[in-house]
Amino acid sequence: ETGVTQSPTHLIKTRGQQVTLRCSSQSGHNTVSWYQQALGQGPQFIFQYYREEENGRGNFPPRFSGLQFPNYSSELNVNALELDDSALYLCASSLGLMRDTEAFFGQGTRLTVV
Amino acid sequence: SQQGEEDPQALSIQEGENATMNCSYKTSINNLQWYRQNSGRGLVHLILIRSNEREKHSGRLRVTLDTSKKSSSLLITASRAADTASYFCATDANAGGTSYGKLTFGQGTILTVHP
Repeated sequence: ETGVTQSPTHLIKTRGQQVTLRCSSQSGHNTVSWYQQALGQGPQFIFQYYREEENGRGNFPPRFSGLQFPNYSSELNVNALELDDSALYLCASSLGLMRDTEAFFGQGTRLTVV
Repeated sequence: SQQGEEDPQALSIQEGENATMNCSYKTSINNLQWYRQNSGRGLVHLILIRSNEREKHSGRLRVTLDTSKKSSSLLITASRAADTASYFCATDANAGGTSYGKLTFGQGTILTVHP
């Protein structure tokens, strides 16, 4: 167990709907990163939050948005869901923006868009 | 986009044998990390090797890094059925500033260890 918890574990949504995924980071960790992992692929970086501010974004459209709260937990919001958004969404927490810091991953949320 | 290529895509061995997985990447890096994933669930961190290191050991794991060839290998010795999983390499690019921790993953190697 890494101490990073994600909810829900599974979710089914209809194309065009909106979804919110949640991540509770490991105690003391102020940095959260979100990744999308399509079936059979490696995870792809969506964005990172550090002390409630977005600190970098991958190649994802604006309908993917995030939020980090004062307790460093985080949300990933996806609007106007598309079938290709079906994937495992992983969050990872780490301590600060130091070089060579280990990231701890949650178990992921499996999103299916129908 | 995927930074790395992993080789092989799938590996099937018997318990007790060694398993070697390779990873290549494209850009300058701060470090390279190896992760394990069971049945499409969360990623478990195995080992981190810094850009100025050439080899690192952790238990039955041995990782090498060749920055001149932009490649790394993960060796699992004396494999067990419980090692069956997908293995991913991930690079933390050397982009400076506050760019740490944005990992770029390879496609992964599916390892199956038969009892």
